[in-house]
Amino acid sequence: NAGVTQTPKFQVLKTGQSMTLQCAQDMNHEYMSWYRQDPGMGLRLIHYSVGAGITDQGEVPNGYNVSRSTTEDFPLRLLSAAPSQTSVYFCASSYGAGGFETQYFGPGTRLLVL
Amino acid sequence: SQQGEEDPQALSIQEGENATMNCSYKTSINNLQWYRQNSGRGLVHLILIRSNEREKHSGRLRVTLDTSKKSSSLLITASRAADTASYFCATAFQTGANNLFFGTGTRLTVIP
Repeated sequence: NAGVTQTPKFQVLKTGQSMTLQCAQDMNHEYMSWYRQDPGMGLRLIHYSVGAGITDQGEVPNGYNVSRSTTEDFPLRLLSAAPSQTSVYFCASSYGAGGFETQYFGPGTRLLVL
Repeated sequence: SQQGEEDPQALSIQEGENATMNCSYKTSINNLQWYRQNSGRGLVHLILIRSNEREKHSGRLRVTLDTSKKSSSLLITASRAADTASYFCATAFQTGANNLFFGTGTRLTVIP
């Protein structure tokens, strides 16, 4: 199994540009989530999904959209990038509800917004 | 914020010594989890301890949970240079969304 994969590994955007961060898992996990990691602030939950067709907001959802059309994929869209969105983004998945089970993390996407 | 807080923020020890990291939280939990992150990599799960458990072991790792004090500790015994990483506690609360809330981490450096 590849586990949780994320693309791209690194991206530079200009303010106002849009892009999609890709996340896929091959473990048939129902729960998937997106976190951002900023220095000194730990990981903060952006959006999560408890199954295909179901998404919900986390702690810091503003400026991001998600969709979950399949069990395997959970893309994160930045509609109009801002410098405040410069961060490292992690996708994670788990068999059951995110708080009750082990989370499996992808390698991360490092995003720089100029 | 619902995040837990780790203490200390940074820890430097000699290889072979034990390392202890602490995590405190504010609200009743369902479980508490510890993760490790090597520099530039994703997080890797270490141990999950449920609210009705007091201690769990996994190899050289020992986790304790004191729900009366709302705190947990992670002990790494006989540390190795390869243990150098950041360690995060994450809590799942009894009420509200079933998500994990991460602390800010402890940066552990093990000197060979």
